[in-house]
Amino acid sequence: AQTVTQSQPEMSVQEAETVTLSCTYDTSESDYYLFWYKQPPSRQMILVIRQEAYKQQNATENRFSVNFQKAAKSFSLKISDSQLGDAAMYFCAVNSGGSNYKLTFGKGTLLTVNP
Amino acid sequence: EPEVTQTPSHQVTQMGQEVILRCVPISNHLYFYWYRQILGQKVEFLVSFYNNEISEKSEIFDDQFSVERPDGSNFTLKIRSTKLEDSAMYFCASSEAVTGRISGNTIYFGEGSWLTVV
Repeated sequence: AQTVTQSQPEMSVQEAETVTLSCTYDTSESDYYLFWYKQPPSRQMILVIRQEAYKQQNATENRFSVNFQKAAKSFSLKISDSQLGDAAMYFCAVNSGGSNYKLTFGKGTLLTVNP
Repeated sequence: EPEVTQTPSHQVTQMGQEVILRCVPISNHLYFYWYRQILGQKVEFLVSFYNNEISEKSEIFDDQFSVERPDGSNFTLKIRSTKLEDSAMYFCASSEAVTGRISGNTIYFGEGSWLTVV
């Protein structure tokens, strides 16, 4: 079984500042993949960034980067130079792959960006 | 960029009626999914579908739900007799489902079908 915990129901950040969203997970699989999805008010699920568990190097995608701590089972998302369009619900998710391709999501963190 | 498409975007139905939600997954993907998100809650897995059969289903996916890939491109979710608690956003998703690389394990979502049961 997989579990994902996002301990911050809400976060806020000033435009152009940096914010970090926390996520911890648990899985019994040795090979798995981690994701952050963004859900704006339109409610579409948009992939933000992804990370293979076997890679030590943290993934980056423009202003988005992760801090992946495998031993601690932690996968936080850092948003640099925050923009008004970053305001959304952010979901952390794990996919153990193999014969079990389903994603397990956390409860989400609502990010507000203040101008 | 290829995307998952869903219809309808919003449907209102009376309790007890049958509903069919439709999806066209990304064309080279092999695994298809339905997820559900009740307003204000997290996204929950309903069912996965591979090689023309259900691969896994959650406890939410009871006998009133069924999935089908009728023609090689569409993927449908049928709710046989809707209940008030079925009101939710239903997301279709797909993935390449190739072991060992992240592209094969990345799940792409459609824009969702918002179902309101009255």
